[in-house]
Amino acid sequence: GENVEQHPSTLSVQEGDSAVIKCTYSDSASNYFPWYKQELGKGPQLIIDIRSNVGEKKDQRIAVTLNKTAKHFSLHITETQPEDSAVYFCAASWNEKLTFGTGTRLTIIP
Amino acid sequence: DTAVSQTPKYLVTQMGNDKSIKCEQNLGHDTMYWYKQDSKKFLKIMFSYNNKELIINETVPNRFSPKSPDKAHLNLHINSLELGDSAVYFCASSQGTGAQPQHFGDGTRLSIL
Repeated sequence: GENVEQHPSTLSVQEGDSAVIKCTYSDSASNYFPWYKQELGKGPQLIIDIRSNVGEKKDQRIAVTLNKTAKHFSLHITETQPEDSAVYFCAASWNEKLTFGTGTRLTIIP
Repeated sequence: DTAVSQTPKYLVTQMGNDKSIKCEQNLGHDTMYWYKQDSKKFLKIMFSYNNKELIINETVPNRFSPKSPDKAHLNLHINSLELGDSAVYFCASSQGTGAQPQHFGDGTRLSIL
């Protein structure tokens, strides 16, 4: 089955700086890679996703890049704001199910 | 206007009891899921249903029995609760199976005494 590794497990950045979270996946058949943000007491919320036929996707301050050859994908958040503080999860879709990474706790320092 | 709603939000009960969690989605999606999130925040799929039919069962103990009365509802019944069942259980839904965005509810925190 699919295995997704996510790094770092915790990340603190100054407000206004950029944050990068990286994931690797094991199964080359995976074809869909969403990113979720989870705030305290809430369910994961989809913030951006990318499919295997695309190398990069942007949505305002958030971007995701995918390197299929290396089986890596990354989340980039620019101009970070206090409300970006949360736990972020990457995931990879294979065989009709999502396998999640272990999460990154992002803290934005005012 | 909650898209995926779960009840109850909190559930505190004794070991050995039987309990149910309910989930409803108003997004018109065909597929619904149950996930378990443990104390280390690890999210793992338990079950998925597409149009009321079970399509994923991830080696979950048979004390856990999902039921989908229609495609907008997916309930989870747990028999003989054990300490290790303490976790947050999330319901999610998507339009179709496979590589589709999933929308999550806000979870049910189950605590076993």
